[in-house]
Amino acid sequence: QSVLTQPPSASGTPGQRVTISCSGSRSNIGSNSLYWYQQLPGTAPKLLFYMSNQRPSGVPDRFSGSKSGTSASLAISGLRSEDEADYYCASWDDSLSGWVFGGGTKLTVL
Amino acid sequence: QVQLQESGPGLVKPSQTLSLTCTVSGGSISSATYYWTWIRQPAGKGLEWIGRIYTSGSTSYNPSLTSRVTMSLDTSKNQFSLKLSSVTAADTAVYYCARACSNGNCAATWGQGTLVTVSS
Repeated sequence: QSVLTQPPSASGTPGQRVTISCSGSRSNIGSNSLYWYQQLPGTAPKLLFYMSNQRPSGVPDRFSGSKSGTSASLAISGLRSEDEADYYCASWDDSLSGWVFGGGTKLTVL
Repeated sequence: QVQLQESGPGLVKPSQTLSLTCTVSGGSISSATYYWTWIRQPAGKGLEWIGRIYTSGSTSYNPSLTSRVTMSLDTSKNQFSLKLSSVTAADTAVYYCARACSNGNCAATWGQGTLVTVSS
């Protein structure tokens, strides 16, 4: 059971906007930054967002992140087939004194 | 551009110690104040943080694994390593090494991962 909660799956058609949610608690999302990772099939994860809404260089601005209280969301607009991947949220947890991850959301582009 | 590469046995017997090394290229692990981290992923499952080690050598581990984990740095070889003792089949996973973000709380640069199977 993951400390952060994500829906196991999400889907959309090309060009659509999809959002993926991540829910936590005061000890993690509520008091620390939230991070998002993208894992394409058969590859290592890649950092997609840091400090809740900052994109590393090279990440398209079709991706956006937000956080409110103990929840966060990742939005992908103008969905493309190459966005089909697993997406994980993560944060530092003050109670556990360590990183915690969501269980991951498998995004399917129909 | 920093790159990381995991290496170590792909098969470990139950109750033995899993040992992995991460070789860093494109930068010195001791020249900057970074955390270096290990994360694992069982087949078809999510990510689990194992722990991190600072360039000073200080460590922090996942509370669920802390009794079995040891991380260390070898600055002469530009490597850091992971040891996980008393392994069981539940430790079978792809193990990733990564360089953490500057604040230490995310993995900015990842290795490609190495599969470790625990089986007799």
